[in-house]
Amino acid sequence: EADIYQTPRYLVIGTGKKITLECSQTMGHDKMYWYQQDPGMELHLIHYSYGVNSTEKGDLSSESTVSRIRTEHFPLTLESARPSHTSQYLCASMGSGGANEQFFGPGTRLTVL
Amino acid sequence: GENVEQHPSTLSVQEGDSAVIKCTYSDSASNYFPWYKQELGKRPQLIIDIRSNVGEKKDQRIAVTLNKTAKHFSLHITETQPEDSAVYFCAASKGGSYIPTFGRGTSLIVHP
Repeated sequence: EADIYQTPRYLVIGTGKKITLECSQTMGHDKMYWYQQDPGMELHLIHYSYGVNSTEKGDLSSESTVSRIRTEHFPLTLESARPSHTSQYLCASMGSGGANEQFFGPGTRLTVL
Repeated sequence: GENVEQHPSTLSVQEGDSAVIKCTYSDSASNYFPWYKQELGKRPQLIIDIRSNVGEKKDQRIAVTLNKTAKHFSLHITETQPEDSAVYFCAASKGGSYIPTFGRGTSLIVHP
């Protein structure tokens, strides 16, 4: 079934650890996004990609990095996690051909102690 | 850049009442206006959208209206049910830009 998958769903780590949040989509979409969202609060765009080897930073300043080596895969890496990174991270994708609907993954709930 | 304002931030209604959430946008070039519903602990999902060449769109109990002159659009939910309780986000984007600007969200609470 075409969908967006995120792993892990929940992660508790200590300060200073390096982590990678995984996002994969089987929807054949070219555009992918990472949002940071505290539960029920506004969505903050932190990174996006229009296709392979294309990555851009969003509006929210973040110490994270992304890569887009394959169309279906868009991982987010935090080199050194801090308690201020505690939040939910949502991955999303969008297709081409004039469609502007975003499809969201289930999210990763990150807690940094 | 685009700026989207969403009101109210919280809306509490009785089951069966109607609910209206309003958004305004700043960029007159914006031409796509989606609404997403996010239930507690779930991912945001598109519930309805409207393009700038249409003034109103309806899908069962939900409808969206767009006033391009005033640059505002609204979500209308009739005969609300407890399962309508969620956070609703409006957004605006324009052709050639695939970065939607989201409103800050409205928490809708429907009391049985």
